[in-house]
Amino acid sequence: AQKVTQAQTEISVVEKEDVTLDCVYETRDTTYYLFWYKQPPSGELVFLIRRNSFDEQNEISGRYSWNFQKSTSSFNFTITASQVVDSAVYFCALSGYSTLTFGKGTMLLVSP
Amino acid sequence: DTGVSQDPRHKITKRGQNVTFRCDPISEHNRLYWYRQTLGQGPEFLTYFQNEAQLEKSRLLSDRFSAERPKGSFSTLEIQRTEQGDSAMYLCAGQDSSYNEQFFGPGTRLTVL
Repeated sequence: AQKVTQAQTEISVVEKEDVTLDCVYETRDTTYYLFWYKQPPSGELVFLIRRNSFDEQNEISGRYSWNFQKSTSSFNFTITASQVVDSAVYFCALSGYSTLTFGKGTMLLVSP
Repeated sequence: DTGVSQDPRHKITKRGQNVTFRCDPISEHNRLYWYRQTLGQGPEFLTYFQNEAQLEKSRLLSDRFSAERPKGSFSTLEIQRTEQGDSAMYLCAGQDSSYNEQFFGPGTRLTVL
């Protein structure tokens, strides 16, 4: 069975602080995919990134960066210089070739 | 905008009534997924279709739930004899034949009184 754990329920930061959201996963599959989605107050899930299990290269996209470490089964997400618009619930998810298994999410509150 | 639409956006019903939700993905989405999200939780998988074939159903999908995708385009999710525990956000997601990311619609929020 697949499992995703996001131990941080809620994080509060002040604008311009850096913040890291943790994600730990469990799977018996040798080929799998990891994702991060953002869910703003409007409710729609917004895709942020997809990583496959064979690609441990870290990725940076603007203020966002992701650190995938297979040795610790972690796929952490860092927002640099956070902004109020980053306030949302962030979900880490895991899949094989079809369904997504989500963590419970981390609510990020960025105050001015 | 992912191009995936859902209707209605909100539904309030009384316990025991039947409800039906609709999801319209874009034409490139040969796979269509249904998830349910309750307050404070991540989405949980319900079922998915590849074209018109329903390939997998979660044990969460009780006998009161049925889903269809008759022509491999839009899909419907019906809940019969609704219960208060069915109150949740029902999310639909589309995926193209590269089987990469799933793109979610805005969801249908169901409240059962």
